Amino acid sequence: AQKVTQAQTEISVVEKEDVTLDCVYETRDTTYYLFWYKQPPSGELVFLIRRNSFDEQNEISGRYSWNFQKSTSSFNFTITASQVVDSAVYFCALSDTGRRALTFGSGTRLQVQP
Amino acid sequence: NAGVTQTPKFRVLKTGQSMTLLCAQDMNHEYMYWYRQDPGMGLRLIHYSVGEGTTAKGEVPDGYNVSRLKKQNFLLGLESAAPSQTSVYFCASSYGREDIQYFGAGTRLSVL
Repeated sequence: AQKVTQAQTEISVVEKEDVTLDCVYETRDTTYYLFWYKQPPSGELVFLIRRNSFDEQNEISGRYSWNFQKSTSSFNFTITASQVVDSAVYFCALSDTGRRALTFGSGTRLQVQP
Repeated sequence: NAGVTQTPKFRVLKTGQSMTLLCAQDMNHEYMYWYRQDPGMGLRLIHYSVGEGTTAKGEVPDGYNVSRLKKQNFLLGLESAAPSQTSVYFCASSYGREDIQYFGAGTRLSVL
């Protein structure tokens, strides 16, 4: 069975600190996709990144960076120089070939204090 | 540029009442999904559809029915609402199974 674990339930940082959100996944598939979504206080789900299992190249986009390590089944997300607007719940998700849908982790709530 | 639109945004039901949640997408996506979000549990898949006229069960389908009569619409029905169905419901759509899913704004449902 597919599983996504986000062990950090809640993280609180002060503005300008760097913060890393952890994601560990389990799958028997050799080909799969991993996603990060952001859910701000307004409630909508915003897509951040998608990565396939054959592409372990880490990516940086502005203040965001992602570290995909297939050997440890992890897909971590780092925010550099955090801002108050980064306060949200962040979800890691895994494509599920069996159900043709996404399996979500339970989410990590990030609070960035001014 | 509507994307995925859910109606209604809020609803309060009494136990035993029925209702239908409507999801509409204007991106010509084949795949559509209904999730529910409960505190501390992330999003769980209720039902999904891989094309017009098709539906399939997800992780938590009991107590819900769905229909996809038109490609752009995906309806979620509660025939006899129960307090355990109090949740936030999200609809999503995508081109294919492993493509980005685009979400609606959600429907907050309370069953008293």
